[in-house]
Amino acid sequence: AQKVTQAQTEISVVEKEDVTLDCVYETRDTTYYLFWYKQPPSGELVFLIRRNSFDEQNEISGRYSWNFQKSTSSFNFTITASQVVDSAVYFCALSVLYTGNQFYFGTGTSLTVIP
Amino acid sequence: DSGVTQTPKHLITATGQRVTLRCSPRSGDLSVYWYQQSLDQGLQFLIQYYNGEERAKGNILERFSAQQFPDLHSELNLSSLELGDSALYFCASSVATGLAYNEQFFGPGTRLTVL
Repeated sequence: AQKVTQAQTEISVVEKEDVTLDCVYETRDTTYYLFWYKQPPSGELVFLIRRNSFDEQNEISGRYSWNFQKSTSSFNFTITASQVVDSAVYFCALSVLYTGNQFYFGTGTSLTVIP
Repeated sequence: DSGVTQTPKHLITATGQRVTLRCSPRSGDLSVYWYQQSLDQGLQFLIQYYNGEERAKGNILERFSAQQFPDLHSELNLSSLELGDSALYFCASSVATGLAYNEQFFGPGTRLTVL
């Protein structure tokens, strides 16, 4: 069975602080894919990043960075110098090669950036 | 804008009624997915269609059904509605192959309120 855990329900930071959102996943499959989505107050889910299980290279995109560690089954997301526009709910998701393309979502982390 | 459209945006109905939610995928995407987002269940995968055929089924109730038409739009039918069906229903689409590594692009959702 597949499972994604986002233990942090809500996080508040002051603008310009760095913040890390944790994601821990469970799967017995060796080929899988991890995703992060952002859900701003408007409600739409916005794709941020995809990572496959064979690529543990960390990725940086502007103020966003992702740390994938298979040894700890984690795929954490860091926002550097947070801004008010980063306030949203962030979801981590897992898909597995042999169960089609359905996503298993974590429960989400609600991030509030205080000006 | 993800390119995925959903109608209606809001729907208010009474218990016992039946409603239909509509989704148009991004141009060229053959796979359509339906998800339910509720406070207690989080984001749950319901069902996937690929080029008109059901590809995967998740936690979809028997009172719910879906289909994908030749023009690739999809409809989710919810019948004998209960208070607990109140939720945000998302449609997502992915590129033609519909494999596990494809990111899904989500529509704005339909907020269903059952009174």
